[in-house]
Amino acid sequence: DTGVSQDPRHKITKRGQNVTFRCDPISEHNRLYWYRQTLGQGPEFLTYFQNEAQLEKSRLLSDRFSAERPKGSFSTLEIQRTEQGDSAMYLCASSHPLGTGSETQYFGPGTRLLVL
Amino acid sequence: KQEVTQIPAALSVPEGENLVLNCSFTDSAIYNLQWFRQDPGKGLTSLLLIQSSQREQTSGRLNASLDKSSGRSTLYIAASQPGDSATYLCAVSPFTGGGNKLTFGTGTQLKVEL
Repeated sequence: DTGVSQDPRHKITKRGQNVTFRCDPISEHNRLYWYRQTLGQGPEFLTYFQNEAQLEKSRLLSDRFSAERPKGSFSTLEIQRTEQGDSAMYLCASSHPLGTGSETQYFGPGTRLLVL
Repeated sequence: KQEVTQIPAALSVPEGENLVLNCSFTDSAIYNLQWFRQDPGKGLTSLLLIQSSQREQTSGRLNASLDKSSGRSTLYIAASQPGDSATYLCAVSPFTGGGNKLTFGTGTQLKVEL
């Protein structure tokens, strides 16, 4: 299957620890997005990459968060000094814009983070 | 700031019924609108994408319409089935010419009962 994959699917950590998530997009998709979803809410945009360049970051992405996409392939999202408020589902999506207003984002299964 | 609202928040219908889910957005300057399905604890599955220049899109039993000037979209599901039970999310992207970051509503939780 060539869908978007995310690893790990679940992560439990203690407050203050660092965690790193990985996203592998659909091959040849040059755009990659990270979203965060808390219970009962829709996903909220965090950041996106076009190839290896990080082009936009949300205000939600505090300085404890960092994302990378080396070589324009997979991406990692790291959270340093985790807080209980970081508990959420972290979703990754990829897309290949066609320049016609048609840019479907394909989502991965998400990484569910629980900070104790 | 773009805000997306979905009504109703939850809906329970008997199998076979036709139903309509509503989505409204405050800023009509959008690039496109997407409808997604999310099963509990899972990621999102794209159902339909409507470009800002389009009025509707159809896929099987699903039909989505877009009225950009009034800031509204509807998702019509025909002959509902228990397998349609899920949360349905609509999302809009801004007409900025840059990234297609999506602003989501909070979703409509649908339950189709036997």
